[in-house]
Amino acid sequence: GAVVSQHPSWVICKSGTSVKIECRSLDFQATTMFWYRQFPKQSLMLMATSNEGSKATYEQGVEKDKFLINHASLTLSTLTVTSAHPEDSSFYICSARDSRTSRARGEQFFGPGTRLTVL
Amino acid sequence: ILNVEQSPQSLHVQEGDSTNFTCSFPSSNFYALHWYRWETAKSPEALFVMTLNGDEKKKGRISATLNTKEGYSYLYIKGSQPEDSATYLCASPGANNLFFGTGTRLTVIP
Repeated sequence: GAVVSQHPSWVICKSGTSVKIECRSLDFQATTMFWYRQFPKQSLMLMATSNEGSKATYEQGVEKDKFLINHASLTLSTLTVTSAHPEDSSFYICSARDSRTSRARGEQFFGPGTRLTVL
Repeated sequence: ILNVEQSPQSLHVQEGDSTNFTCSFPSSNFYALHWYRWETAKSPEALFVMTLNGDEKKKGRISATLNTKEGYSYLYIKGSQPEDSATYLCASPGANNLFFGTGTRLTVIP
């Protein structure tokens, strides 16, 4: 089956530092990947849609200069949380859709997520 | 933004009991409805993608039904087992992404 890896699975950093999270589709190509954030007891909130070879599309309220997304290849997207602050502490999870499937009928394949704690 | 809601938020059942929970979504401009199972420390895993009104899908002891006219889907688990303990998410596609409900957290007590 389709596998998405995410690295690191958890990270603790000091306030002001930047953290990069990688999302890889291991056995399929993904022109589109998605980055979600989950707040406690809330649903997965889409932050941005990462498009291979072009700029990411950010959801309303998500600062693109703070959450830098790069999708340089068909199997890798990265999310960099720049100048992290304690309020950025959260669970971040990525997903990818196989390029060959339609947007509705094709399920998304998720990474295991990254728990970020900013001290 | 699509408003997808799930109930109940959490559920505890005894091993062997059958259970079900609900996902509601906007019935206008319906395209599809996805169900995912998310076990602790693992990736969410797709269970079903449903598109037609009246659809019923089954995977082992888990099944789901879909009513697109009234905007709801039920997920059923027959004879719950401890390994069924997980958060069950439903989602509805938007223009290029999925809108998720908050999930139903199921705990099956041995």
